Amino acid sequence: DTAVSQTPKYLVTQMGNDKSIKCEQNLGHDTMYWYKQDSKKFLKIMFSYNNKELIINETVPNRFSPKSPDKAHLNLHINSLELGDSAVYFCASSQGTDSGNTIYFGEGSWLTVV
Amino acid sequence: AQSVTQLDSQVPVFEEAPVELRCNYSSSVSVYLFWYVQYPNQGLQLLLKYLSGSTLVKGINGFEAEFNKSQTSFHLRKPSVHISDTAEYFCAVSAGFQKLVFGTGTRLLVSP
Repeated sequence: DTAVSQTPKYLVTQMGNDKSIKCEQNLGHDTMYWYKQDSKKFLKIMFSYNNKELIINETVPNRFSPKSPDKAHLNLHINSLELGDSAVYFCASSQGTDSGNTIYFGEGSWLTVV
Repeated sequence: AQSVTQLDSQVPVFEEAPVELRCNYSSSVSVYLFWYVQYPNQGLQLLLKYLSGSTLVKGINGFEAEFNKSQTSFHLRKPSVHISDTAEYFCAVSAGFQKLVFGTGTRLLVSP
């Protein structure tokens, strides 16, 4: 049983398209995240949701719109895709927002924009 | 603001040799530190974390790390590595509200 699962795992799309990545966690956590890993493997937080409410938005372009229909799901929709959006997007979850809690990551979604 | 520096982008080592992956941090508040491992084409998995208490933290797969406040370091060590330890290792510091700030990663390459 995968704790944090995201789909699709691989996505190749053209510039200008709109795409979504879905994420679900079965850990019973109330906090979920999206992280972006660029081609140099640098990881940076994009968004964080706690109980379906946005708590972190790291100055991400508003072409990126996260949506949390319930505590177990956090989807990422990207409009008007650009070449620079090519990256690996990781969904993650944790219990609560205490800074010491372990964050559990999904296996990543490899997005390639051509 | 919190930040993490991983001094080595790549560390080659022979199987069964000891290894140390270096991490230095900068933080103006109480520090929570983490080491994550990323195997090829996979997500990140927590190896260990330091919250408080003993400065020597033991993690999974035989890894351990030592928190050194005076040197602002949190180096990861393993006394004897295996081929299967080949992966990317990320040090991270918590920047509040569960926001992890990651270092740039160290690729551990274990050869026979």
